[in-house]
Parts: sequence; C-alpha cells; structure tokens
Amino acid sequence: GIQVEQSPPDLILQEGANSTLRCNFSDSVNNLQWFHQNPWGQLINLFYIPSGTKQNGRLSATTVATERYSLLYISSSQTTDSGVYFCAAETSGSRLTFGEGTQLTVNP
Amino acid sequence: NAGVTQTPKFRILKIGQSMTLQCTQDMNHNYMYWYRQDPGMGLKLIYYSVGAGITDKGEVPNGYNVSRSTTEDFPLRLELAAPSQTSVYFCASQRSRAADTQYFGPGTRLTVL
Repeated sequence: GIQVEQSPPDLILQEGANSTLRCNFSDSVNNLQWFHQNPWGQLINLFYIPSGTKQNGRLSATTVATERYSLLYISSSQTTDSGVYFCAAETSGSRLTFGEGTQLTVNP
Repeated sequence: NAGVTQTPKFRILKIGQSMTLQCTQDMNHNYMYWYRQDPGMGLKLIYYSVGAGITDKGEVPNGYNVSRSTTEDFPLRLELAAPSQTSVYFCASQRSRAADTQYFGPGTRLTVL
C-alpha cells in the first residue's frame, strides 16, 4: 500500500512565527487531506487537497501531485495551533492512509 | 447536525470481556470508518463501509467485527478483549468516495486490563 511520511516529527515555535510541514507519499493519490488533532484529541479536517493550492485564513496547503508531496503552511502561529498535524492519502478504494504526524508546540 | 457521535467516551475492560463501540452520523454519508490510534502514533484503519450492508477490512481488523444495517450506524464489536486493544478509537464518515473530506467523531478511549 501507499506510504505516507511526514516531517518534521516535532516542531516548537514562538507565537507569531511561520512554519512549513511536509508530507511525502509513495504513489499517485486520488485524495490527500490534512487534519489537526487538538490537545483534547479531536480531529478536525483542514484541507482536502489532492492537487493545487488552497488557503483558509492563516493556513494554506499545496500539493504537487507529480512530485508526490504536500506542504502545509502556518503563518503567524498562535498557541491554539498547537497539536498534531496529520496528512492522509488515498490511492483507491476510499481508504485513507495516515502519516505519523507532526507534533507542533507554539509557545507564548 | 450533531455530525459523528460516539459512545461511550471512556471504558475500562477486563481481559476476555466483550463490548460494542457505537457510532452514529446524521449527515446521510455513505462511507463510514473505524480507526484506532495508539499513543504517539497515527491512525490505523480497522474496518470501513461504503454503504448499508457492505463492510470491508482495513489494515488492522483482527479481534474486531462490524456491521452496517443502516446508513446512520456503524458499531464496532470487540470480542475477547486483549491488552493490545488498549487504544483510542475514532469513527469517521464521508459523503462520497475520494472527492470529499472525512469527518471524525470525538473518540472512545478504551483500556483493557
């Protein structure tokens, strides 16, 4: 099956800093999603982005499908951005494969 | 809409006991999923369903069973609980294949002692 690798595994920022999270996947994808898991464990979908670029407030994501990677940008980070960021990819059969996540800590 | 709801929120089981984790969605989504998340890890797919009456195994199905008699409900059954099944269990739903996002329930934290 498809392999999904995320980097870095851990990231510590000061409030106001910008960051880029990376997701590499091993095969062509029909579906690529980014999720945020908050410190209380809730998983929230951020982007559905199998290709191209999308923006939502301070967050944006870009997927370069031909080169098999996706990037999540967080600008002007806030303490509420802390948590784990997962990317998940699907090749066929409606089954998402999740990466191991990036643990983000934003300090005040 | 309540979205995806799961019960119970927490449960402690003894080795060998059985239980059913409940999942309900009110968005009329065809696709539903069960994942487990071990500490510090990503999510692993246990079972999924593409519609009422249709289920299929995911990456880690052993020790679990599912059924899908209605569009709304997708219960997960644990038979003969083992310590290795200590985890957080998430249910998710998706409107259609591929071109849509998955919506997650709040999770059930299960401990098997």
